[in-house]
Amino acid sequence: ILNVEQSPQSLHVQEGDSTNFTCSFPSSNFYALHWYRWETAKSPEALFVMTLNGDEKKKGRISATLNTKEGYSYLYIKGSQPEDSATYLCAFSGGSNYKLTFGKGTLLTVNP
Amino acid sequence: NAGVTQTPKFQVLKTGQSMTLQCAQDMNHEYMSWYRQDPGMGLRLIHYSVGAGITDQGEVPNGYNVSRSTTEDFPLRLLSAAPSQTSVYFCASSRVGTQSSYEQYFGPGTRLTVT
Repeated sequence: ILNVEQSPQSLHVQEGDSTNFTCSFPSSNFYALHWYRWETAKSPEALFVMTLNGDEKKKGRISATLNTKEGYSYLYIKGSQPEDSATYLCAFSGGSNYKLTFGKGTLLTVNP
Repeated sequence: NAGVTQTPKFQVLKTGQSMTLQCAQDMNHEYMSWYRQDPGMGLRLIHYSVGAGITDQGEVPNGYNVSRSTTEDFPLRLLSAAPSQTSVYFCASSRVGTQSSYEQYFGPGTRLTVT
């Protein structure tokens, strides 16, 4: 069983704060690292798929970086808004380009 | 496109009953999978398929069967429901490529309670 760890487990920030969280994964046999956003009562939706060491991806105020050699990825949110409140999941793909192992997620709450 | 659809949305079963959770996608995706989501456990892979006629076990396959007779459909069968199978079940699909990894699209989920 692959170990994909996310930290922190939960996070409360004020509107306008910038924040970041971490995903750790096995550094061997890496294929891809996915980030998903999961709002309450909805389904997970993809944010980024990252495959290359040093990759940086950005979508609006959200960005992510990838270090495959040391086995971690950071997700950054700049100027958090209440609508950013969600659980952020990372998922590791090792040895195949489709089968994912998910972390337990970071629950972000942005207070207005 | 409807994307990934799942039925039913909610289901209550008695211990020992069997049922099938339906999943369909209209995006012509080769890869389909079933996850269960339990508090504090995250999404865990039950079974997956990379094409019609091909299925394989994930992390927690016991008590579940799958088949993939068409590209569109990937039903999950509970053979004899147990309270430990109370969970929210998500179906997901994605493209498969030799050189890249593709985002997974999730269905709305089925909330199953076994009493």
